[in-house]
Amino acid sequence: SAVISQKPSRDICQRGTSLTIQCQVDSQVTMMFWYRQQPGQSLTLIATANQGSEATYESGFVIDKFPISRPNLTFSTLTVSNLSPEDSSIYLCSVEERANEKLFFGSGTQLSVL
Amino acid sequence: DQQVKQNSPSLSVQEGRISILNCDYTNSMFDYFLWYKKYPAEGPTFLISISSIKDKNEDGRFTVFLNKSAKHLSLHIVPSQPGDSAVYFCAASTPGTYKYIFGTGTRLKVLA
Repeated sequence: SAVISQKPSRDICQRGTSLTIQCQVDSQVTMMFWYRQQPGQSLTLIATANQGSEATYESGFVIDKFPISRPNLTFSTLTVSNLSPEDSSIYLCSVEERANEKLFFGSGTQLSVL
Repeated sequence: DQQVKQNSPSLSVQEGRISILNCDYTNSMFDYFLWYKKYPAEGPTFLISISSIKDKNEDGRFTVFLNKSAKHLSLHIVPSQPGDSAVYFCAASTPGTYKYIFGTGTRLKVLA
């Protein structure tokens, strides 16, 4: 199974600033996914990041607010920009193991916006 | 529109007894279902899955049951252990997609 390292594990940010979250996988993967879990809510897919192309965003999420980079097959970053208290959530990166049809998740980033 | 629903936000069970976590879905196109367990400050970890061609899948203490006509699945944990205390998410996907739709989770507390 894939091992996913995500950092930072948590951060407290001021309103209006940005936070960049890094995700490193120990094997090459085609697609990486970014999820958000708001307090008391389900995990919601933000976008899918493919290496060498622009990320594909889900309804309700836009590139200006959540820019994503995918420079190679083992790494991705998600930036949450122009932070507001409503962005306080857990952000998770994940990869799919196609052979077993499972999603593997990083440990998550707990973001609090003051 | 919440396509995957876990109507019980929390559940308490005595150690050694059975824990039953429920999940309902609305999209009849879903053909693959998974359960994840999440501890605080950790990412969700895969627990067990079931394809729509089956109605039961078992792995050790964990069994998932699928009732397609009722659009309902359940996770049974027998016997429950204090280490099972976590939030459990069910998830579903449709054929040929990589998109998994998650429920809101049920917090299980197993009392020693």
